[in-house]
Amino acid sequence: AQSVAQPEDQVNVAEGNPLTVKCTYSVSGNPYLFWYVQYPNRGLQFLLKYITGDNLVKGSYGFEAEFNKSQTSFHLKKPSALVSDSALYFCAVRDGDTGGFKTIFGAGTRLFVKA
Amino acid sequence: NAGVTQTPKFQVLKTGQSMTLQCAQDMNHNSMYWYRQDPGMGLRLIYYSASEGTTDKGEVPNGYNVSRLNKREFSLRLESAAPSQTSVYFCASSGTFNEQFFGPGTRLTVL
Repeated sequence: AQSVAQPEDQVNVAEGNPLTVKCTYSVSGNPYLFWYVQYPNRGLQFLLKYITGDNLVKGSYGFEAEFNKSQTSFHLKKPSALVSDSALYFCAVRDGDTGGFKTIFGAGTRLFVKA
Repeated sequence: NAGVTQTPKFQVLKTGQSMTLQCAQDMNHNSMYWYRQDPGMGLRLIYYSASEGTTDKGEVPNGYNVSRLNKREFSLRLESAAPSQTSVYFCASSGTFNEQFFGPGTRLTVL
């Protein structure tokens, strides 16, 4: 069965500092991994994904994520945080081998960037 | 392009009442999904439709039914609402490259 863990309910960082939001996953086949962001009273927006290829993937708004197969992790990173990055972030995984459509989401991590 | 649209935005029901949540997408996506979002629990998949004419249960299907009316539209029905179904409901669609596009959500309260 697929599962996703986001071990931190909240991450606090000062504006201009680097940020990391952690995600670990479990899936029996090859993982398809995603990060989404949710602003208050809005739907989720896609940030980036890893399907295959380079372990470092770049996405929207300057975010990037590194796929680490041995540690089954897919941490979201940004070199310099902005106050406007404050939002709820979700990691998600899908089993790429089964051909199914079931995507499992983590519980979410709230990012707070202080000016 | 409007993307994914949902109606209504807000709804208050009494226990036992029924209602249908509507979802439509204009991106020509094959797959559509219904999720519920509850505090501290992320998103949980209720039902999904891999393609027009097919529907399948997700993680939490009990108390819900769905209809894939055509390629654009995917509705979610609560036949007899219960307080445990108080939640925010999101519809999403996806194409070939797997990422999902979400609607703005429906905030449902069941009294």
